[in-house]
Amino acid sequence: GAVVSQHPSWVICKSGTSVKIECRSLDFQATTMFWYRQFPKQSLMLMATSNEGSKATYEQGVEKDKFLINHASLTLSTLTVTSAHPEDSSFYICSARRSSGGYEQYFGPGTRLTVT
Amino acid sequence: AQKVTQAQTEISVVEKEDVTLDCVYETRDTTYYLFWYKQPPSGELVFLIRRNSFDEQNEISGRYSWNFQKSTSSFNFTITASQVVDSAVYFCALSEAFGQNFVFGPGTRLSVLP
Repeated sequence: GAVVSQHPSWVICKSGTSVKIECRSLDFQATTMFWYRQFPKQSLMLMATSNEGSKATYEQGVEKDKFLINHASLTLSTLTVTSAHPEDSSFYICSARRSSGGYEQYFGPGTRLTVT
Repeated sequence: AQKVTQAQTEISVVEKEDVTLDCVYETRDTTYYLFWYKQPPSGELVFLIRRNSFDEQNEISGRYSWNFQKSTSSFNFTITASQVVDSAVYFCALSEAFGQNFVFGPGTRLSVLP
């Protein structure tokens, strides 16, 4: 149990376009989901915390107007990178925490974004 | 503020050698959780272990073992008789109670050579 999926697994887009990444909890409900970014050979850095039905909380230095997060249901959160630039190229990983409580975060397989 | 340090950036060993990955953490909380994850080249994080701050018992799982020393704020990970398939980046992570403020260490890249 506790499977989290991400779609797409990889995407290439042109500079200036927007791209949406989906994060789904497949077998549990998740009130809270998290979005991380990982640059090559670096660690995962938390970008934002997404709460179902409310606005996301962004970490310092993360532009909320550039990285739009929507957590419209208990099983789906989306991250939209708007007006993407090459420096946004990265590996984006989401995680989800059960609505029923507990501290465990279940991580998705990640989405590799390349902006050309 | 919470912080996780993994002093070893990269380690190379020859197959069948034992290897220990170090993890030192900082937190002001009395209740917290420590984790180890493996990240193979595919990128997907593989959960290895979770340990809460009140459980200092060392744990062994097959070739993997973990040494939690609260006195030195360390949570080291040892792979016994390493195999080529163990080659990956390993992350130590720390969270507050209830999973808040999940912080990853910088990671250690392990290469196991045949």
